[in-house]
Amino acid sequence: DGGITQSPKYLFRKEGQNVTLSCEQNLNHDAMYWYRQDPGQGLRLIYYSQIVNDFQKGDIAEGYSVSREKKESFPLTVTSAQKNPTAFYLCASSNTFYGYTFGSGTRLTVV
Amino acid sequence: GEDVEQSLFLSVREGDSSVINCTYTDSSSTYLYWYKQEPGAGLQLLTYIFSNMDMKQDQRLTVLLNKKDKHLSLRIADTQTGDSAIYFCAELRNNNAGNMLTFGGGTRLMVKP
Repeated sequence: DGGITQSPKYLFRKEGQNVTLSCEQNLNHDAMYWYRQDPGQGLRLIYYSQIVNDFQKGDIAEGYSVSREKKESFPLTVTSAQKNPTAFYLCASSNTFYGYTFGSGTRLTVV
Repeated sequence: GEDVEQSLFLSVREGDSSVINCTYTDSSSTYLYWYKQEPGAGLQLLTYIFSNMDMKQDQRLTVLLNKKDKHLSLRIADTQTGDSAIYFCAELRNNNAGNMLTFGGGTRLMVKP
């Protein structure tokens, strides 16, 4: 079955540490996206990539970095510059007008 | 605030109909979507409607689109406790970066038994 996989489901980060969230899709989608969701809030766009080897900042890119070396993969690194990283992170992909396909999310907690 | 507006909360009794409303801003949006998010999960596409349609029905779900007022609604008939979730509407916009979805802030639906 085609789909989009995020890992890990839960991630704990110490202060000052960089962590990387994985997002892999086998849907052959060109575009991929990262969103942040805080409790009781909507989605905020962090980064997006419309094609391999290219990506753009979203609304809240500070403290985050991404790469898009393969069509299937769009990892997100939460750097130590992100002062409040505790949140639920969602990855999505799309190729048509039929909306985005979302992963099941990664919950990141600073300990 | 959000460009796509939704009310924050809706509470209904099991068996009643639920109507979740959304207003959007871009009159050139071609597609509009409804997503469902259950606790701790990603967003699941429920349905979408093309802008040249006024209504779309899919089992218990009915989507109504009023382009003049830029108003979208999702009606859930015979609401069940399993329908309790957050519902997001989204519009497809074309900008310099290509086609992208803009999401509303979400409506939390609570279904009481």
